[in-house]
Amino acid sequence: RKEVEQDPGPFNVPEGATVAFNCTYSNSASQSFFWYRQDCRKEPKLLMSVYSSGNEDGRFTAQLNRASQYISLLIRDSKLSDSATYLCVVLSGGSYIPTFGRGTSLIVHP
Amino acid sequence: GAGVSQSPSNKVTEKGKDVELRCDPISGHTALYWYRQSLGQGLEFLIYFQGNSAPDKSGLPSDRFSAERTGGSVSTLTIQRTQQEDSAVYLCASSFMAGGVTGELFFGEGSRLTVL
Repeated sequence: RKEVEQDPGPFNVPEGATVAFNCTYSNSASQSFFWYRQDCRKEPKLLMSVYSSGNEDGRFTAQLNRASQYISLLIRDSKLSDSATYLCVVLSGGSYIPTFGRGTSLIVHP
Repeated sequence: GAGVSQSPSNKVTEKGKDVELRCDPISGHTALYWYRQSLGQGLEFLIYFQGNSAPDKSGLPSDRFSAERTGGSVSTLTIQRTQQEDSAVYLCASSFMAGGVTGELFFGEGSRLTVL
């Protein structure tokens, strides 16, 4: 089982839609969680950290479920510019090496 | 610029040749990572440097791969006797503190390696 698993998609949604991605992780000692965004043929960039209580940044909401070992990313009112690959990133306790999921591709169409 | 700089941006080489990829991290960042990303795949960890500590080489796929970081700044990833399966985008990232503290890695634009 891979350490971090994501549905590769693609998720194909119309503008204005709400879309959610999940990511599961296998190491119960994981302590820090993040979502990165990667545009086509570009480098990954941090989108947001994921906090235990859940957190929101504009149209983006991230949540953590430690009991079930998954994190989620919800995007409301999708924009064309949200089209990208969203990478789930997990950092285990005592490690300084973030583990990246393969990413979930989102395509927002007019 | 102020970001992570990588060179070359593209490299085409013949099987069996050696290649060197360079990374210039953000000034003041003590942590430096190399990852590689194959087409349609996730980021695969290769090696991690933190300050003057011994690097974590646990992700290097074979002894053909090596990396060094001189003076705690610029890093070079060397691949000897390249194989076709080495074709990928090699991404360098730096972090102000070890990734475990802030979680934010700043990536360069990558070096796209094609082995013919």
